[in-house]
Formats: sequence, C-alpha cells, structure tokens
Amino acid sequence: EDQVTQSPEALRLQEGESSSLNCSYTVSGLRGLFWYRQDPGKGPEFLFTLYSAGEEKEKERLKATLTKKESFLHITAPKPEDSATYLCAVRETSGSRLTFGEGTQLTVNP
Amino acid sequence: DGGITQSPKYLFRKEGQNVTLSCEQNLNHDAMYWYRQDPGQGLRLIYYSQIVNDFQKGDIAEGYSVSREKKESFPLTVTSAQKNPTAFYLCASRDSQGRNTIYFGEGSWLTVV
Repeated sequence: EDQVTQSPEALRLQEGESSSLNCSYTVSGLRGLFWYRQDPGKGPEFLFTLYSAGEEKEKERLKATLTKKESFLHITAPKPEDSATYLCAVRETSGSRLTFGEGTQLTVNP
Repeated sequence: DGGITQSPKYLFRKEGQNVTLSCEQNLNHDAMYWYRQDPGQGLRLIYYSQIVNDFQKGDIAEGYSVSREKKESFPLTVTSAQKNPTAFYLCASRDSQGRNTIYFGEGSWLTVV
C-alpha cells in the first residue's frame, strides 16, 4: 500500500526566512511525485511533477527535489503570499490514482 | 476557458436525503476522480473513472455512488447511508497524454443539517 508522510504538519516563517518541507513516500514503483498548493476553501493548484531520483524543478521561490525515498520543497526568501497548505502526492506505476499526504500548513509572517 | 467546474459551491442537506454534486470538465481528459477532504486533513479517494461507462471504488466509497455516462461529466451522489457526509468534496481529472498531471476543480462544501 502506498504511503505518503509530510513534515512538519505546520511551519511558521518570517518573510525572507528560507526553509524546506519534507515528503517521505513508500510505493512499489513510482510513476510520479506531485506537489500542490492549496489555499483555504479552494481546490489544490498543481505546482510540480517529479519522475525520477535526482530530478529538480523550480518555479519562482519554490524548488522541488526528489530522492528514492523522499522529496523536498525548498522555499527561498518566502513572502506572505506563499502562505498556504502544500500537499504531496504519489502515483505508482501500476495505478491511476494519487495517494496524498496530509499536507504542511505554511504561514509566512511579514 | 478550459477547466473543471464543480457545482454547487455550497450545499446544505437534511439528514436522510441524497444529494448530487456536479463535476464537468472541458479538458478532454479520460480519467476523473472524486476526493473528500476533512478540515486539516489530506485528500481521500472516493471513486475514480478511467474511461466512460467504467469506474472503480477508492478508499472510502461506502455511502457514495457515481456515474460516467459522458466523458465530460462525473457526478457524485452522497447517499443517506454516508454516516458523516459533511466535508469538502474535490473533483479532478487527469491528462493521460504527456505529463499525466491531475488537475482539480474548486471544490464543493457539503453540510448536513
């Protein structure tokens, strides 16, 4: 059974204070690891897909990396508008479904 | 504009009543999904469909039903058998070409009163 664990559950940063969110996963074969951003009361917004260990993707202040057991979402010099819940999900090679972690709630204070 | 449209955004239901949530997509995606999200928690899969006239149960299908008569539409019915239906419901669809990314609608809030 696929498992996805995100840490920390909540993270509070000052504006400009860089940090990383962690996503640990267990799958029989990884077809893709996905990062989403979710604002309160909204649907998740797609950020990145990573397919193989060593892969990296960047978008503005966000950078996602992948190893064989975990993924990190690095946030460089965050701004208050980066405050949201960040969700990680995996899709295994034999399936059509995504399995989600419980998310990290990020708050960036001005 | 291409996208996934869920309606209604907010719905109130009396106990014992069935309710149907609508999900329509114009992205030409084959696969569609329904997830449930409870406050402060991750997403749990209710049902998914990889092709028209076919669907599979997810992890929490009890008390729910779906149909997939058209490629664009994947309605979810929350039946009176669902013990705790109050939640945020998310519909999604997957691009089976290229990147295989799953995209989400804006969600529907269901409250049982």
